[in-house]
Amino acid sequence: QKEVEQNSGPLSVPEGAIASLNCTYSDRGSQSFFWYRQYSGKSPELIMSIYSNGDKEDGRFTAQLNKASQYVSLLIRDSQPSDSATYLCAVNIWHRSNYKLTFGKGTLLTVNP
Amino acid sequence: GAGVSQSPSNKVTEKGKDVELRCDPISGHTALYWYRQSLGQGLEFLIYFQGNSAPDKSGLPSDRFSAERTGGSVSTLTIQRTQQEDSAVYLCASSSQGPTDTQYFGPGTRLTVL
Repeated sequence: QKEVEQNSGPLSVPEGAIASLNCTYSDRGSQSFFWYRQYSGKSPELIMSIYSNGDKEDGRFTAQLNKASQYVSLLIRDSQPSDSATYLCAVNIWHRSNYKLTFGKGTLLTVNP
Repeated sequence: GAGVSQSPSNKVTEKGKDVELRCDPISGHTALYWYRQSLGQGLEFLIYFQGNSAPDKSGLPSDRFSAERTGGSVSTLTIQRTQQEDSAVYLCASSSQGPTDTQYFGPGTRLTVL
């Protein structure tokens, strides 16, 4: 099993819809989880971080974490064309006496006007 | 304050030449990371610095790759005898204390090896 897996995508949603992005991870001991957005040709920028089970909301974005199921998701409500980007799930995985931020391959989201 | 900066933004070199990529982290951040992102691929971890030491350099792909950090601030990633497969975007990130903190990325250096 890969350490961090994301739904393969690409994902296409109409403007105003809810986009749902999913991620699973292998290390039960992971404590910190991040969603980054990466526009084409740009570097990743942080959208959300989440550390505790449950939901965390920030504007149109909601991150959901379920450590028992080793699952983290990102919901984008009222999707806008400007949300079109690749979304990267990142999880801190214990590696050689340190945590290492490990990224999934990303899910490309397209929001159609 | 200012974010993470990297230079150059673009570098074109010939196969076999050495290149140096620079990263200037957010002021006060003690942890610094280098990643590589090839076209259409995910982020590949290269090395992590805590202060001037590198507790984890397990991601460096070969002994042609090396990195150093001086004064707990600026870091340089050096690639010797570049190969075409080294072509990628090299991203630097920093975090306030360590790997469990949020990492903030620089704009990257796009390296093209001809």
